[in-house]
Amino acid sequence: GAVVSQHPSWVICKSGTSVKIECRSLDFQATTMFWYRQFPKQSLMLMATSNEGSKATYEQGVEKDKFLINHASLTLSTLTVTSAHPEDSSFYICSASGRNTGELFFGEGSRLTVL
Amino acid sequence: AQSVSQHNHHVILSEAASLELGCNYSYGGTVNLFWYVQYPGQHLQLLLKYFSGDPLVKGIKGFEAEFIKSKFSFNLRKPSVQWSDTAEYFCAGGNRDDKIIFGKGTRLHILP
Repeated sequence: GAVVSQHPSWVICKSGTSVKIECRSLDFQATTMFWYRQFPKQSLMLMATSNEGSKATYEQGVEKDKFLINHASLTLSTLTVTSAHPEDSSFYICSASGRNTGELFFGEGSRLTVL
Repeated sequence: AQSVSQHNHHVILSEAASLELGCNYSYGGTVNLFWYVQYPGQHLQLLLKYFSGDPLVKGIKGFEAEFIKSKFSFNLRKPSVQWSDTAEYFCAGGNRDDKIIFGKGTRLHILP
């Protein structure tokens, strides 16, 4: 099946620094990618929807200046957590939707720990 | 507002027991529904999906789900669970070409 890959899978950073997480669709073109955040023992919370070549659509309560999303090509979307704080520590998961499939393919997730 | 709700947060069963996990959605129009599974230490995997057609959907590993439009439900079932089914199960739904919303998940624990 389709493969979506995230990198890095685990990152530790100091408070105040910025961290970039990449999400790649390896064998299909992803017109739409979604970024989710998963807190421990909780469900996935949709943060934003990114469409290739246009600005991301953020969910209510998600700071777009803090979580910068770029979807520059049909195979790559990036999430940058700017000026990270310990409360940003979480598991970030991306998913990609191919043209007309309606199905989501998930990346492995990226665990961010902010010290 | 669009939502997906799962009734059971934590389910414990013995091997060979039958399983049914509830899922209800509140969407208008044509809805796509999914069940995903997350095994310990692994990423989400699709179990099955419903777009249209036969409301009884068969997925991988012996799972099935039934779309009942009148009840806004899409419950997941398996006649006989195995220890390896221990995982967290997420129901998800959305309108076509729109964002997909996840339920809060059900943690299933199978006793050997």
